[in-house]
Parts: sequence; C-alpha cells; structure tokens
Amino acid sequence: LAKTTQPISMDSYEGQEVNITCSHNNIATNDYITWYQQFPSQGPRFIIQGYKTKVTNEVASLFIPADRKSSTLSLPRVSLSDTAVYYCLVGGGYQKVTFGTGTKLQVIP
Amino acid sequence: DARVTQTPRDKVTEMGQEVTMRCQPILGHNTVFWYRQTMMQGLELLAYFRNRAPLDDSGMPKDRFSAEMPDATLATLKIQPSEPRDSAVYFCASGLDYVEQFFGPGTRLTVL
Repeated sequence: LAKTTQPISMDSYEGQEVNITCSHNNIATNDYITWYQQFPSQGPRFIIQGYKTKVTNEVASLFIPADRKSSTLSLPRVSLSDTAVYYCLVGGGYQKVTFGTGTKLQVIP
Repeated sequence: DARVTQTPRDKVTEMGQEVTMRCQPILGHNTVFWYRQTMMQGLELLAYFRNRAPLDDSGMPKDRFSAEMPDATLATLKIQPSEPRDSAVYFCASGLDYVEQFFGPGTRLTVL
C-alpha cells in the first residue's frame, strides 16, 4: 500500500484559497489519488479523484505533477463550513486503500 | 438520493454483552467496508467484502469480531463479548470499487 504524508493541521481565513499537499513517494502505476472530507460526527465524503495533471469539480481542484509523487488539493475561497478533516488516499480499482491521519483544516472568520 | 444506512445510530452496552451493527449498502454497490474510528487510532479498516465475499478481515480482532453479508442488502458486524476498548464510532461504506466509497452515518458504540 502506498503510504501518504500530509500536514496534521492547517488554519485559513474565510475567503482564502487553501492548498493541502500530500506526499506519496511510492505510488504505483495503477494507483489513483483520492481525497475525502470528514465533518465532525459524520462519515468521510468523497471529494475528488485524479490520476495525473489537473482535475476540477464543483468543490475542489486536484493538481498532480508529472512524477505523481505528491498531489495538492485546492479549495477555492473557503468558508467556515469547510472546516473539516481532509484525507488523501492512494490506490484504486480492487486494491485496498487506507485512510491516514488526515489534515484538520480550521477556517477562521 | 441513495444513501448507506446504519442501525443503531447509538448503542450503549455493558462489557461482555453481544453487539450487532447493521448496514444497508447502496443498491447496486458490490463492495462493502467496515471501519472503526477513535480519537487515538483514527479511521481503521476492519473488513471488506466484494460481491458479498469477505476479501480481507485482517483489521478485525478475530476472537471477538465477526462480519458477514447474509445478502446483498445487509452487512452485519458483531462483537461478542464486547469490551470497553471497543468503544468507537463504526462506519459502514459501500462502493463499486475501493476508491470512491460512500459512508453511512455511523454507529456510536459505548461499552461500559
């Protein structure tokens, strides 16, 4: 299983763009990169997934460099409701994926 | 809006009692996961099934935990006997593969 490393916590002011970077040096050729969001007292929720370059949806953007050894989740103009834990996962298909410790994002008014 | 459902939402029990948690995966999903979350250990994968067959339960304490899928609409996680260290939130998730998982609301278990 590819191991991931991400910051334990981050603070941001409302309205700012937040970038959370995840390192995954031993990512395999078939692995995808997936990010989840978890609010207190809820299960994690899928945000975005990508394989290479850039992926964008209505919630976030995911940037993956050519070597794929890291990825950056970008949240545009965060609000207080974006305060949550964000998990980076690597794997895919029928390969087991593992949630790490995640990054606790605190959005400040 | 299809969702994973879990019952009960909260369970308080005494040490030594049997606990059964149930999960109804989203119709059509062929992969089901059981997770446990605590402050100390984070989110731990206990077991997962594909097409109702158990693929990996290495995350479960074998002597007291068991997971089954009697049919495609029901997954169960049993703890017998329960211990205080089992207190946690237990999540069930379903999906079409291991990447995009849809989580239920969780069962908060307290073992006294």
